[in-house]
Amino acid sequence: NAGVTQTPKFQVLKTGQSMTLQCAQDMNHEYMSWYRQDPGMGLRLIHYSVGAGITDQGEVPNGYNVSRSTTEDFPLRLLSAAPSQTSVYFCASSYSGTNTGELFFGEGSRLTVL
Amino acid sequence: AQKVTQAQTEISVVEKEDVTLDCVYETRDTTYYLFWYKQPPSGELVFLIRRNSFDEQNEISGRYSWNFQKSTSSFNFTITASQVVDSAVYFCALSGALSGYSTLTFGKGTMLLVSP
Repeated sequence: NAGVTQTPKFQVLKTGQSMTLQCAQDMNHEYMSWYRQDPGMGLRLIHYSVGAGITDQGEVPNGYNVSRSTTEDFPLRLLSAAPSQTSVYFCASSYSGTNTGELFFGEGSRLTVL
Repeated sequence: AQKVTQAQTEISVVEKEDVTLDCVYETRDTTYYLFWYKQPPSGELVFLIRRNSFDEQNEISGRYSWNFQKSTSSFNFTITASQVVDSAVYFCALSGALSGYSTLTFGKGTMLLVSP
């Protein structure tokens, strides 16, 4: 059982480049979300989705795009990377929300923007 | 708006000491859920506990215990007889109605260092 899978685990970008962080889950979870973790800041919500075709912004959405075309996948796109986007990114999923259970997290993707 | 405050940035203890990690939260919801996650040096997030706002019973799981007090909006976590393997960053988190209980608001975390 793979759970929540994030790729790549490590990535170095130059300012202005674009890339997509992939997130896939095989647990048939409806709810998925992206967080970024910066030193001393905890985890902050970027975007989230409560089902295929439905997305919404979190606390720090600027510079990121998402879409949810399937239940399994929730990619996070950086259109023009900036050094401020250097961070560790976590994808999470849950079956039907925290009122029924926990969030399951991927192992994280460490992104460095030079 | 929701907010979670973990006032202790870093705690250092010697093995076998008891340690309490504090968590204070703010929410206007009457129904909400509180969580603790552990992040060891390897970086993954490990789920420890989930508690709903209607259940104020304290919970014990082995060396871990949690004290939930709605009157003070606190959800503190105690490790009894700490071990080196407990060294990690611990996050307290809150989930409420604004996101349909689909996401978490995290505190900034408390780094626990347990030395032998």
